[in-house]
Amino acid sequence: EAQVTQNPRYLITVTGKKLTVTCSQNMNHEYMSWYRQDPGLGLRQIYYSMNVEVTDKGDVPEGYKVSRKEKRNFPLILESPSPNQTSLYFCASTRTSGFSEQFFGPGTRLTVL
Amino acid sequence: GQQVMQIPQYQHVQEGEDFTTYCNSSTTLSNIQWYKQRPGGHPVFLIQLVKSGEVKKQKRLTFQFGEAKKNSSLHITATQTTDVGTYFCAGSTDSWGKLQFGAGTQVVVTP
Repeated sequence: EAQVTQNPRYLITVTGKKLTVTCSQNMNHEYMSWYRQDPGLGLRQIYYSMNVEVTDKGDVPEGYKVSRKEKRNFPLILESPSPNQTSLYFCASTRTSGFSEQFFGPGTRLTVL
Repeated sequence: GQQVMQIPQYQHVQEGEDFTTYCNSSTTLSNIQWYKQRPGGHPVFLIQLVKSGEVKKQKRLTFQFGEAKKNSSLHITATQTTDVGTYFCAGSTDSWGKLQFGAGTQVVVTP
């Protein structure tokens, strides 16, 4: 089954404790993105990757890092989480950038205390 | 920078009624996509529009792309409880097709 998986689905952590949210897709897609969803703001892109070892900043990259060492995986790293990073995070993959259907993962609800 | 605005933010609909949600961009779009997110779920792709003036239908859903490619609409006829959720539009302007999402229209259906 074609899918995007994310782990963990729920996470409560404390300020400053480094964390990683994993994302994996099995569709051999080149393009992957991370979004955060906040009430009234919709989905805002954090980072995206056009292929292995090719990443770029989205609209709200501050406080986040990503890596793309393999085509299927695109982890999101919060080196020093802060309460304003409390949000619902979605990973998405698509065959070719914004001109193809985006497949979203189930989401990770992060709370930073 | 590019901004994609959606109105209304909330829509309460009586079951059986029609409603429309609108998406407006400050710049000309290359394409526009629509997604639906059920409560507690993730966004799911509905459709993509590329051509000026394009109209596409999916059963009770009608999608339009404006002539100037700066606006789009989603019209739902005879709303059902299964239509509950948040509808997002997303447009791109650059060659990479980077999508800019609107804030979404949250639809609540009253039986």
